[in-house]
Amino acid sequence: EIVLTQSPATLSLSPGERATLSCRASQSVGSYLAWYQQKPGQAPRLLIYDVSNRATGIPDRFSGSGSGTDFTLTISSLEPEDFAVYYCHHRGNWPFGQGTKVEIK
Amino acid sequence: EVQLVESGGGLVQSGGSLRLSCIASGFSLTNYWMSWVRQAPGKGLEWVANIKRDGTERSYVDSVEGRFTVSRDNAMNSLYLQMNSLRGEDTAVYYCAKILWSGALWYFDLWGRGTLVTVSS
Repeated sequence: EIVLTQSPATLSLSPGERATLSCRASQSVGSYLAWYQQKPGQAPRLLIYDVSNRATGIPDRFSGSGSGTDFTLTISSLEPEDFAVYYCHHRGNWPFGQGTKVEIK
Repeated sequence: EVQLVESGGGLVQSGGSLRLSCIASGFSLTNYWMSWVRQAPGKGLEWVANIKRDGTERSYVDSVEGRFTVSRDNAMNSLYLQMNSLRGEDTAVYYCAKILWSGALWYFDLWGRGTLVTVSS
């Protein structure tokens, strides 16, 4: 089974700063990785799929990169609405990562 | 507005049953495979079930196989999850989600806000 490990567990930053979130896979997932954003009480939202493709309506401050086993979600300049939990996911019935919480410093 | 809205969650005793519903608005469910995904309290996300556009194919995570049944009514733009023989480990927020295919597997490109299912012993 593929295990996705996200780091750090919590990231404390200020609005306007750059956020860099990591997702490491226990074996290669090729170019198949997604990132989701979840806020308390809200529906999760697909941000990035197939490593670097932004989903419909996602602002360009969100970008994804990587291949094989190491992947990164970058938020170039944090907006107040970006403070949330972020999950990575390979595809389909594979497990999600455990999440990274981006909190206001 | 394009959205999914779940309902039907609640408190149920171990061994009991519950039926979840999900109504789509702003688009036609007919065109899409759909999923249920759950999140246990304080835990990560877990895919539960899929159903094909016309309902002729379904798949489940091993832990619910034989106990849960996913179905749909495209005329009502609705998705359902019948949950029987419920266990404590089924306690979770259940989300319905629209599938975006990537090769032979999928992502989830639209989610509802979820409905909480609590199974008590």
